[in-house]
Amino acid sequence: SQKIEQNSEALNIQEGKTATLTCNYTNYSPAYLQWYRQDPGRGPVFLLLIRENEKEKRKERLKVTFDTTLKQSLFHITASQPADSATYLCAPNYGQNFVFGPGTRLSVLP
Amino acid sequence: DTGVSQDPRHKITKRGQNVTFRCDPISEHNRLYWYRQTLGQGPEFLTYFQNEAQLEKSRLLSDRFSAERPKGSFSTLEIQRTEQGDSAMYLCASSPPRVNEQFFGPGTRLTVL
Repeated sequence: SQKIEQNSEALNIQEGKTATLTCNYTNYSPAYLQWYRQDPGRGPVFLLLIRENEKEKRKERLKVTFDTTLKQSLFHITASQPADSATYLCAPNYGQNFVFGPGTRLSVLP
Repeated sequence: DTGVSQDPRHKITKRGQNVTFRCDPISEHNRLYWYRQTLGQGPEFLTYFQNEAQLEKSRLLSDRFSAERPKGSFSTLEIQRTEQGDSAMYLCASSPPRVNEQFFGPGTRLTVL
């Protein structure tokens, strides 16, 4: 079965720095991969989608890369703010369902 | 607010009881998903509907779990003979046609005593 790993359970960074989160998958390469943000007690919220033929995708302060050779996606938040503190989930797509990673809890310290 | 809604938001039940959760997706979203999430983990896929047809079901889903979407609109998830291990957040998500983004509801938190 597909296994998704995210770099660490928790990541603490200083406000203004760039946060980099890692998502690694095993076995099959997904057709595309999504990143979601989840706040405590709430459902995930979609952030970005990147397809297997795309190297990079940007949206405001967010950037996602996708390396099918390394079987890895990186998620960057530049100029991080305390409001960015949340859990970030990667979700590679396999058919009609998604396999979510365990998430990385990001804390941006003022 | 026209987002995905779930009812109830919280449910406490005793072991062995049956529970039913409801999900109302965003209007005109033809795809509907159920997930289960425990603390510190990502959402775990349970089942998927396209309109009223249940097209996929996780092999991890025991026969105590059943889901329906009778008219292709709202969906229900029933758990029979609940066990303490069923305690989790149950999330519903929907997607419109030809869009891969999933819109999640707030979830139903189930506690089995």
